[in-house]
Amino acid sequence: NAGVTQTPKFQVLKTGQSMTLQCAQDMNHNSMYWYRQDPGMGLRLIYYSASEGTTDKGEVPNGYNVSRLNKREFSLRLESAAPSQTSVYFCASAPTTGPGKPQHFGDGTRLSIL
Amino acid sequence: GENVEQHPSTLSVQEGDSAVIKCTYSDSASNYFPWYKQELGKRPQLIIDIRSNVGEKKDQRIAVTLNKTAKHFSLHITETQPEDSAVYFCAVNTGNQFYFGTGTSLTVIP
Repeated sequence: NAGVTQTPKFQVLKTGQSMTLQCAQDMNHNSMYWYRQDPGMGLRLIYYSASEGTTDKGEVPNGYNVSRLNKREFSLRLESAAPSQTSVYFCASAPTTGPGKPQHFGDGTRLSIL
Repeated sequence: GENVEQHPSTLSVQEGDSAVIKCTYSDSASNYFPWYKQELGKRPQLIIDIRSNVGEKKDQRIAVTLNKTAKHFSLHITETQPEDSAVYFCAVNTGNQFYFGTGTSLTVIP
């Protein structure tokens, strides 16, 4: 039982390049989330998917797109990477949205954009 | 959206002492308040949570208190140990989203 798995763990991109961050969970959770974590700013929600087939914007969606490929997988795409997107990206899942449903996090993807 | 403030940003305590971290929020509709511990280079991990219909919850050395009227909640760690050293984040669930505080770096001095 791996929980939430993110790939890759590290990546360096040049400005303007594109890339997709992958996330998969094996807990049969309905809801999945993408966060970015920057020093001194905590975790900020980029996009989330309350259930298979739905996606919604979070606090900081600009410059990103997401795809809920199936119940297990939720990917995050940077179409044209910018230095401001240098961050640690965490994927999380939860049984459903709503109170009392704690999130389980992956190990993160450390992304540097030069 | 929700505004979550967390204090202090850094906290140093002697081993065996207590540590208290406080968070405030702005949206009275918020109804679930988890706390996460994050060790350096690791994922955030849930350590305790509380729902809006409960005032206090305790799990061994860790407790959380919630004051809905004042819109603040606190994490209490008693009998601190060096392995408690980490960054702690509060979070607030409003609707389908979670909003996180900016974190408290706790150092427990042996």
